[in-house]
Amino acid sequence: QLQLQESGPGLVKPSETLSLTCTVSGGSISRSSDYWGWIRQPPGKGLEWIGSIYESGTTYHNPSLKSRVTISVETSKNQFSLKLRSVTVADTAVYYCATHGGGDFWSGRPPAFFDPWGQGTLVTVSS
Amino acid sequence: EIVLTQSPGTLSLSLGERATLSCRASQSVSSRYLAWYQQKPGQAPRLLIYAASSRATGIPDRFSGSGSETDFTLTISRLEPEDFAVYYCQQYGSSSPWTFGQGTKVEI
Repeated sequence: QLQLQESGPGLVKPSETLSLTCTVSGGSISRSSDYWGWIRQPPGKGLEWIGSIYESGTTYHNPSLKSRVTISVETSKNQFSLKLRSVTVADTAVYYCATHGGGDFWSGRPPAFFDPWGQGTLVTVSS
Repeated sequence: EIVLTQSPGTLSLSLGERATLSCRASQSVSSRYLAWYQQKPGQAPRLLIYAASSRATGIPDRFSGSGSETDFTLTISRLEPEDFAVYYCQQYGSSSPWTFGQGTKVEI
C-alpha cells in the first residue's frame, strides 16, 4: 500500500525559502501513471493546491503561486520536493504531499483527485 | 478559476440521520473531475468520492455522491459517530487549476 511522508524544517524565516521533501514507500514513483502533488492548509482554513509533477518532470502549478514555486522529482530516491521562495507569514500552513491520480499522462488526460495523502507537516514562517 | 461554494457551512445532525452536503461550481465541471474528501481534526483529508459518484476504496456504502455540471451532492445515509468531520469538494477544469470548496462541518 502506497504511503507518503513529508519532511523538512518546521520553521522558516520571512523572505527565505521553504523546502520540503515527500518520500514515497510501498510503490515506485517511476512505475506509476500518476502525478505527485503538494497541497497546503493554513491553520483553521481550507485546502489550496500548490502544484503537481509527473516522474518525467512535467509539472502543473497553481497560477497564484507559480512564480515562487519549484517542484522536482528524484526517482532514484523515490522522492519529490517543493521549494517555495520569498515566504511570508501568509505561507504558514500544514503542507501535504499526495498522489495525484485518476489521469493518464500518456494520453494527456490530467489527474483528477488526491489519494493517498501524507500525514502533513506544519511549517511556520516567523522571524 | 472555478470557485466551489459548499453549503451549509455547518450541519448539525444526530446519529442515524441523513446528511446532505451541497457543492456548487461557478462554471460547469466535468463529472470526471469532481471529488469529495473527509477531514478529521489533526488528520490529512481522505478521499471519499471521485468522478462525482464513485466511492474510493474502503469507503462505506452509506456515502454516495451525485450531481453534474454545476451542482453536486454528497449524501451520508445514516450518520455514524466517525462521520462527524469536515467535508471538502474539489474540482479540476481545463481553464482552472485544481480547487477545493471551503468545507462543510458535520457536527452533532
